[in-house]
Amino acid sequence: EDKVVQSPLSLVVHEGDTVTLNCSYEVTNFRSLLWYKQEKKAPTFLFMLTSSGIEKKSGRLSSILDKKELFSILNITATQTGDSAIYLCAVENNAGNMLTFGGGTRLMVKP
Amino acid sequence: KAGVTQTPRYLIKTRGQQVTLSCSPISGHRSVSWYQQTPGQGLQFLFEYFSETQRNKGNFPGRFSGRQFSNSRSEMNVSTLELGDSALYLCASSLEGVPSYNEQFFGPGTRLTVL
Repeated sequence: EDKVVQSPLSLVVHEGDTVTLNCSYEVTNFRSLLWYKQEKKAPTFLFMLTSSGIEKKSGRLSSILDKKELFSILNITATQTGDSAIYLCAVENNAGNMLTFGGGTRLMVKP
Repeated sequence: KAGVTQTPRYLIKTRGQQVTLSCSPISGHRSVSWYQQTPGQGLQFLFEYFSETQRNKGNFPGRFSGRQFSNSRSEMNVSTLELGDSALYLCASSLEGVPSYNEQFFGPGTRLTVL
């Protein structure tokens, strides 16, 4: 059974801080790892990673995958209050059509 | 382009009742996936439908069922509700259903409370 574990469970930082969110996984026949941001209800897509060592970047957010050690990190630099959300990591296996999610990291950014 | 819509947004039921939730995907999307989100278990996959066929099913009891119509709209049904079914039910639509090939777009969810 595929498994995804995220850490920390929650995090409180101040604006301007840099945060690193962790995601480790066990999956049979890995295909991809995805990061989502969930602010109120609907998760929104951030990144999809399929290859080790290639950093994906979007503004202040970046993510990288290590397929040997089976983990990914999501970095947010110069955090803003608008970054407050639950960050979800999910993996997809080769059977496709479904995602296995971790429990999420709840990030709160204080002014 | 309109996003994924789910109805109703909120629902209160009592134990033993049944409930039907609806999801309308983005126009042109043929895949609809359903997820249950609870504080203790996080987001868990329920099932995925493509062109009216269930292609994949998560580890949920038979009380949870679904279907998809020819216009790609999907419904999920939970019979004999239990307190533990209280959750946010999210649906996600995509063109073909494979997350690494087609981005999944999530709806706002239906918040179900079972008393």
